[in-house]
Amino acid sequence: ELKVEQNPLFLSMQEGKNYTIYCNYSTTSDRLYWYRQDPGKSLESLFVLLSNGAVKQEGRLMASLDTKARLSTLHITAAVHDLSATYFCAVDPYNNNDMRFGAGTRLTVKP
Amino acid sequence: NAGVTQTPKFQVLKTGQSMTLQCAQDMNHEYMSWYRQDPGMGLRLIHYSVGAGITDQGEVPNGYNVSRSTTEDFPLRLLSAAPSQTSVYFCATRLAGGYNEQFFGPGTRLTVL
Repeated sequence: ELKVEQNPLFLSMQEGKNYTIYCNYSTTSDRLYWYRQDPGKSLESLFVLLSNGAVKQEGRLMASLDTKARLSTLHITAAVHDLSATYFCAVDPYNNNDMRFGAGTRLTVKP
Repeated sequence: NAGVTQTPKFQVLKTGQSMTLQCAQDMNHEYMSWYRQDPGMGLRLIHYSVGAGITDQGEVPNGYNVSRSTTEDFPLRLLSAAPSQTSVYFCATRLAGGYNEQFFGPGTRLTVL
């Protein structure tokens, strides 16, 4: 059974600090997706990682993928309040739209 | 372009009632999916489609039916609503090929009493 595990599930950080969210998955997959969800809103795509060693950056967020370790990370640099949201990772290992999500990491950035 | 639209935004049902959640897209995407989101459980895939006339079950398909007669529409039917189906439902679409991001609709909040 395909499992996607994120940790931590809850993260409270101070503005200006750095932190990393981890996403482990149980089945080989060469692609991984990160999404952001604001409270009461829909999901917004952040990154699509397509191969081993892929790294993508957007502003204070950087995502990477290690397909051999079945691990993706989402690194937050110098957090700001606007980054407060829930972050989800997802995999589609069979490339057939059968996409599975992690439980999400609820990030709160405090001033 | 409207992107991905879902109707209704909110719905309250009584146990045993049936209803259809609508999802429409104008992006000409082949792939469409239905998810439910429950607190602490992330998104779980209910059914998905890779093109008109083709559907398949996801992780939690029981109690739901889908059909895909056109590229644009992918309705989700609740056959006999149960309180366990109280959730927020999201429709999502993307281009075929597996390397493309998904676009999500605004969601439908369903309460079953």
